[in-house]
Amino acid sequence: GAGVSQSPSNKVTEKGKDVELRCDPISGHTALYWYRQSLGQGLEFLIYFQGNSAPDKSGLPSDRFSAERTGGSVSTLTIQRTQQEDSAVYLCASSLAPVGSSYNEQFFGPGTRLTVL
Amino acid sequence: AQSVTQLGSHVSVSEGALVLLRCNYSSSVPPYLFWYVQYPNQGLQLLLKYTSAATLVKGINGFEAEFKKSETSFHLTKPSAHMSDAAEYFCAVSVPGRDDKIIFGKGTRLHILP
Repeated sequence: GAGVSQSPSNKVTEKGKDVELRCDPISGHTALYWYRQSLGQGLEFLIYFQGNSAPDKSGLPSDRFSAERTGGSVSTLTIQRTQQEDSAVYLCASSLAPVGSSYNEQFFGPGTRLTVL
Repeated sequence: AQSVTQLGSHVSVSEGALVLLRCNYSSSVPPYLFWYVQYPNQGLQLLLKYTSAATLVKGINGFEAEFKKSETSFHLTKPSAHMSDAAEYFCAVSVPGRDDKIIFGKGTRLHILP
């Protein structure tokens, strides 16, 4: 079956522009997570969704970052007024069981490599 | 708060030699622990996990890790390195029953010498 997919795989943008990154989780997975992988910070948690709800947004680096999930499926991570320090690989993961219910393996997508010039 | 420390950002071993990647964790509650591998230009793949069952955990590709509560460690080992093991390895921790977010270590890049 299909795994987690992300699009685009690569995105190059100019400083100050807005970008949208998309994540398609595994069908039926209720939980969805966003992580960022950068040279300076390693892998860091950004936000998670249980269904369409994001209970904890404290991992988002700044108010330029936002995310939404619709229909309990696709999620979009939006970065407004991009800065060079936003350059990173953005990873999405999904898991089957509701968050916190039991051991919940997260399956990762291939990531979107964002380069801000 | 949970955290993970991986000792050594780069580790080199000869093909056929023992692989040992070190990981120490900090958690105020019994954690779940993971090792992930990332091959060049690929996503993260779960190697193995500890979820409070057996302390010696076997994973894919011949890797295993032992949870040692007294040492707060979860080191990853493989008896005999293969060239295909060259990749970046991440130790990670999560707290069961909460938000399941995974806290990753900085990663260790494993180089295999011929």
